[in-house]
Amino acid sequence: DIVMTQSPDSLAVSLGERATINCKSSQSVFYNSNSKNYLAWYQQKPGQPPKLLISWASTRESGVPDRFSGSGSGTDFTLTISSLQAEDVAVYYCQQHYSAPLTFGGGTKVEIK
Amino acid sequence: DVQLLESGGDLVQPGGSLRLSCAASGFTFSNSAMTWVRLAPGKGLEWVSTISGSGGSTYYADSVKGRFTISRDNSKNTLYLQMNSLRAEDTAGYYCAKQYSTAVSDNRGYFDLWGRGTLVIVSS
Repeated sequence: DIVMTQSPDSLAVSLGERATINCKSSQSVFYNSNSKNYLAWYQQKPGQPPKLLISWASTRESGVPDRFSGSGSGTDFTLTISSLQAEDVAVYYCQQHYSAPLTFGGGTKVEIK
Repeated sequence: DVQLLESGGDLVQPGGSLRLSCAASGFTFSNSAMTWVRLAPGKGLEWVSTISGSGGSTYYADSVKGRFTISRDNSKNTLYLQMNSLRAEDTAGYYCAKQYSTAVSDNRGYFDLWGRGTLVIVSS
């Protein structure tokens, strides 16, 4: 199984500041045949279901604010919130869909400092 | 509206059974692989089971294999999860999710629509 490790477990960021979340996979999730990273990011706000933010490591879903961006390739990935807003308080998860079974990172809780 | 609505969660004793349902609307249900994902207290998201759009292929996490059965009724736009021999470690919020499959076999993908979840508590 591919193990997804997120860091940090939690972080507190001031409003308007940058938040950076890391996700590392135990093996590469990059497919050479189509040059895609099989990595997604989700946001789960308190009391709500997860919401897909980013697919293919860096493709923002429709309606997701452009302050959210995904980067990285192979085994190391980053979700960046460029200017934290109050509504961004949530737990963020990465997920690999390169191989079965599908696995998620342990989550990173983002709070306001 | 495009949505998923789970039901069936409850408090059940260890060794007991429960059937979860997920009613889908707003999209062509039979065209989509569907998945159950759970979130246990203090833990992260865990993939549980996936079923192809036709229902002909099913996949399970090792932790539930042999105890849980995923199924669907495309005429009713409904997904099910039959949970038998429940254990304390099955205690979690269970979410159904629409899968965007990234493999022909539907055993891989990411999740572009989630329900609000239903709570299963296994305790005596």
